[in-house]
Amino acid sequence: GNSVTQMEGPVTLSEEAFLTINCTYTATGYPSLFWYVQYPGEGLQLLLKATKADDKGSNKGFEATYRKETTSFHLEKGSVQVSDSAVYFCALRDLAGGYQKVTFGTGTKLQVIP
Amino acid sequence: DGGITQSPKYLFRKEGQNVTLSCEQNLNHDAMYWYRQDPGQGLRLIYYSQIVNDFQKGDIAEGYSVSREKKESFPLTVTSAQKNPTAFYLCASSISGGGVYEQFFGPGTRLTVL
Repeated sequence: GNSVTQMEGPVTLSEEAFLTINCTYTATGYPSLFWYVQYPGEGLQLLLKATKADDKGSNKGFEATYRKETTSFHLEKGSVQVSDSAVYFCALRDLAGGYQKVTFGTGTKLQVIP
Repeated sequence: DGGITQSPKYLFRKEGQNVTLSCEQNLNHDAMYWYRQDPGQGLRLIYYSQIVNDFQKGDIAEGYSVSREKKESFPLTVTSAQKNPTAFYLCASSISGGGVYEQFFGPGTRLTVL
């Protein structure tokens, strides 16, 4: 079956530091890949997505590139802010089962300190 | 504003009681989903529905039930058969079909069994 593996957190960074959160996946088909963000006490919000190999998703300074050869979709940001503190989920969506099944990683908590 | 609402935000239940969590969307989405979130485990799919009057079990459906009588509504009942119901419950919706459609999430309901 499909699976998503994320680096364990929490990740603690100083403001303006460079962020990388690793994500690798296993899928039988040709999945689409997503990063969602969850702020404390809230639901998930889509951060960015990529639908095919070599696509780069980007939003709010965050980027991730769909790497089929390494089955990875690492999240990066050049300069984090305190407001980026949240839990980040990597996810894949596969239509092989006939419906929009989304498989989520376990989440990585990011703490940005001033 | 279009979106997904879940109520209540916090819910307390005594052991042995059934409880129903509300989920309403005004996004005109055909597909709706229920997830359970536990610390360190990411999101796990409980039930999903691709169209009114139809729903399917997800990965952890035991002890839960749903109905989909209206397009806008997808309530989840946590029954007394669910052995460990304390968790954060998230409802989501999306457009159905073969395209790459994101899932939109509600703010969640935190259920605590006393």
